[in-house]
Amino acid sequence: QVQLVQSGAEVKKPGASVKVSCKASGYTFTGYYMHWVRQAPGQGLEWMGWINPNSGGTNYAQKFQGRVTMTRDTSISTAYMELSRLRSDDTAVYYCARSRTYYYDSSGPYYFDYWGQGTLVTVSS
Amino acid sequence: DIQMTQSPSSLSASVGDRVTITCRASQGISNSLAWYQQKPGKAPKLLLYAASRLESGVPSRFSGSGSGTDYTLTISSLQPEDFATYYCQQYYSTLALTFGGGTKVEIK
Repeated sequence: QVQLVQSGAEVKKPGASVKVSCKASGYTFTGYYMHWVRQAPGQGLEWMGWINPNSGGTNYAQKFQGRVTMTRDTSISTAYMELSRLRSDDTAVYYCARSRTYYYDSSGPYYFDYWGQGTLVTVSS
Repeated sequence: DIQMTQSPSSLSASVGDRVTITCRASQGISNSLAWYQQKPGKAPKLLLYAASRLESGVPSRFSGSGSGTDYTLTISSLQPEDFATYYCQQYYSTLALTFGGGTKVEIK
């Protein structure tokens, strides 16, 4: 069965960086796009961007461009999201989520059929 | 970016009630819409995609409809396990995916 298992909670100071991992199993990791979505406490869902695990190609939401980097290690079926220059309003649960988008077809669809369990990132001085 | 406006932001309903949630896009999205259910402390769960297609394993009391800019999620007979927050998401704009603000369904 498909599983996305994320790394554990992090506490960071403002200005620091955080790197969250997402290990995939139960399917061909390089076959489908992987996305990152975050949720601030008590708030809604916010899409951050995607990575094509096959090519390494990325697309970031405009809000995060210049601060976010999405990478992958195909040898261990793991995707990473690194967010830099952290601020207090980056405090959120960060999810990885797979979309039903084959690696060779960037036209989509880009809805999320499997999600990780979430990683709480707390930014506090 | 395409803005997604959900209404209501919250509602109170009883078990057995019919519940309808609306999602309006700021421009036409050609049925490129998904609905998710999220329970406290859990990741969202996909319910429907392509506006009206039920994800495998999701009970048939959930249904979706709509076209153009206006879409609805209907729960035909609310069950105790359906009390949760529901989100819509457009994927028409593949480079800028956006979610609605959410609808919290509470027990009356």
